Amino acid sequence: AQSVTQPDIHITVSEGASLELRCNYSYGATPYLFWYVQSPGQGLQLLLKYFSGDTLVQGIKGFEAEFKRSQSSFNLRKPSVHWSDAAEYFCAVALKTSYDKVIFGPGTSLSVIP
Amino acid sequence: GAVVSQHPSWVICKSGTSVKIECRSLDFQATTMFWYRQFPKQSLMLMATSNEGSKATYEQGVEKDKFLINHASLTLSTLTVTSAHPEDSSFYICSGQTLYQPQHFGDGTRLSIL
Repeated sequence: AQSVTQPDIHITVSEGASLELRCNYSYGATPYLFWYVQSPGQGLQLLLKYFSGDTLVQGIKGFEAEFKRSQSSFNLRKPSVHWSDAAEYFCAVALKTSYDKVIFGPGTSLSVIP
Repeated sequence: GAVVSQHPSWVICKSGTSVKIECRSLDFQATTMFWYRQFPKQSLMLMATSNEGSKATYEQGVEKDKFLINHASLTLSTLTVTSAHPEDSSFYICSGQTLYQPQHFGDGTRLSIL
């Protein structure tokens, strides 16, 4: 079955520390890959997306993600976390044959210690 | 660019009433709009997909007679929760999409049924 997993339900980091949020997917082929961020009581904001080409993708707010086909992973990274990065992060995939069907992972809640 | 406006942001109403939520794409034409439901501390669950001028396609387990979706124009979709009950209380999020582009999300509507 097709699925998206985010192994870490909750992560706490200190401000200024580096961050990596994990995402793994299970699909028959490489899908489109996304990372979204959601602040409390808000909608979702697209951080970055991978369609094809360079496997290291740069996004907004200093985030980047690396697609690793061999590991079926699309991990999100940031070298130095800011207190305003505290939010819920969702990895999502869409099939290339059905672009409109987006499947969201369960989310990772990020807390930032001042 | 690609802004989606959702209204209202929060609504409280009595059990048995119907509630309408609007989703507008402000600066692009959304050929497809999606409606999601999100319970606290959980991920987004797709409820239905609507294409302008067509009937919505509902996901399995979503009652189409309870959650009425109208997508009358390329910039407006509405979700009406009919005869709402406390179990319908949730966070509802819409998104709009132009062909071959990622979805852009509204800020969500928090629905509380007393």
